[in-house]
Amino acid sequence: GIQVEQSPPDLILQEGANSTLRCNFSDSVNNLQWFHQNPWGQLINLFYIPSGTKQNGRLSATTVATERYSLLYISSSQTTDSGVYFCAVGGGATNKLIFGTGTLLAVQP
Amino acid sequence: NAGVMQNPRHLVRRRGQEARLRCSPMKGHSHVYWYRQLPEEGLKFMVYLQKENIIDESGMPKERFSAEFPKEGPSILRIQQVVRGDSAAYFCASSPRQGFENIQYFGAGTRLSVL
Repeated sequence: GIQVEQSPPDLILQEGANSTLRCNFSDSVNNLQWFHQNPWGQLINLFYIPSGTKQNGRLSATTVATERYSLLYISSSQTTDSGVYFCAVGGGATNKLIFGTGTLLAVQP
Repeated sequence: NAGVMQNPRHLVRRRGQEARLRCSPMKGHSHVYWYRQLPEEGLKFMVYLQKENIIDESGMPKERFSAEFPKEGPSILRIQQVVRGDSAAYFCASSPRQGFENIQYFGAGTRLSVL
């Protein structure tokens, strides 16, 4: 099956700093989504981005499908950005999502 | 357009009892996925259903777990004779799966605690 790797596993930032999270996947996919799981456990959908670039406020994401990776950029980080960021890919007939192990982000004031 | 609704948000069961988790997909969505998140782990696929059909249950434990998505009403994930290892967050997602639109929208999850 498809393998999904995320890096770095942990990240500590000072408020206001920028960061880049990476997601590598092992096969072609027709779905790629980025999620933020906040400290209360809620899973927030950030981007649906099987290819190309999207921006939403301080967040942006780029997926290079031919090279099988995606990047999530967080600019001017805030303490509310803390939590776990998951990348998930889907493919095949069912499009079931395979999740990476996540990046744990802590933003300190 | 209301999002994916899951209930209950928290469920406490004693070992041996049954747990029923409900998921109402977004309006117009006929594809439902269930995922499980064990403590300190990522999410793992369990089952994919369309109305009245189980399409892929490759992630479901072989025993005690079942899922349905009837013609009317919510999708149900049922766990019989729960054990402590079933304690986890269970997430439901729905998708329109029309054309190239493959995005999955997630509910807030049900946190099951088995005493």
